[in-house]
Amino acid sequence: GQQVMQIPQYQHVQEGEDFTTYCNSSTTLSNIQWYKQRPGGHPVFLIQLVKSGEVKKQKRLTFQFGEAKKNSSLHITATQTTDVGTYFCAGGKWGVTFGTGTQLKVEL
Amino acid sequence: EAQVTQNPRYLITVTGKKLTVTCSQNMNHEYMSWYRQDPGLGLRQIYYSMNVEVTDKGDVPEGYKVSRKEKRNFPLILESPSPNQTSLYFCASSLTERGSEQYFGPGTRLTVT
Repeated sequence: GQQVMQIPQYQHVQEGEDFTTYCNSSTTLSNIQWYKQRPGGHPVFLIQLVKSGEVKKQKRLTFQFGEAKKNSSLHITATQTTDVGTYFCAGGKWGVTFGTGTQLKVEL
Repeated sequence: EAQVTQNPRYLITVTGKKLTVTCSQNMNHEYMSWYRQDPGLGLRQIYYSMNVEVTDKGDVPEGYKVSRKEKRNFPLILESPSPNQTSLYFCASSLTERGSEQYFGPGTRLTVT
């Protein structure tokens, strides 16, 4: 069945460093969504990408959808402590196949 | 306020004792689903519903039941819980099933002893 892999599983950074998480699908995706889950919280929608090669920015966050629509990435520039949490991509049929997530820890 | 609510938030129970986790949304969303979250496995879909009286299995449906008698409610039923169903459960809703933003409830942490 549909598989969505995400790497790395964990990332520790110093505040101010950049961070990137990658999402790879075994099949072509119609769209991909990104969610953030704060510690103890629930997933919260960040963005959806639909077009091949699409790039979207939200302040310090940059989201990319691969040309073949089988991979995606989330890049955070100059991390802050408020970025702490787990970032999930979701693809597959109707965006319900979630990646395993990347847990980001930011140290002062 | 637009939201998805779940109850209870925490539940400790024993093997075999039937339980229901309720989920309700106030956004008139058609699509609702249940996920379980386990360390290292991300979120896995249990069941989903595309509208009233329309439900279907997700990736891990064994041991669970659902119903959708009203648009706003989508309860998750564990007829005979087992320890391997100890997990964090999330209900989610979206406007439609096709690539819409999903809104998640606060989660229910279930422990089965």
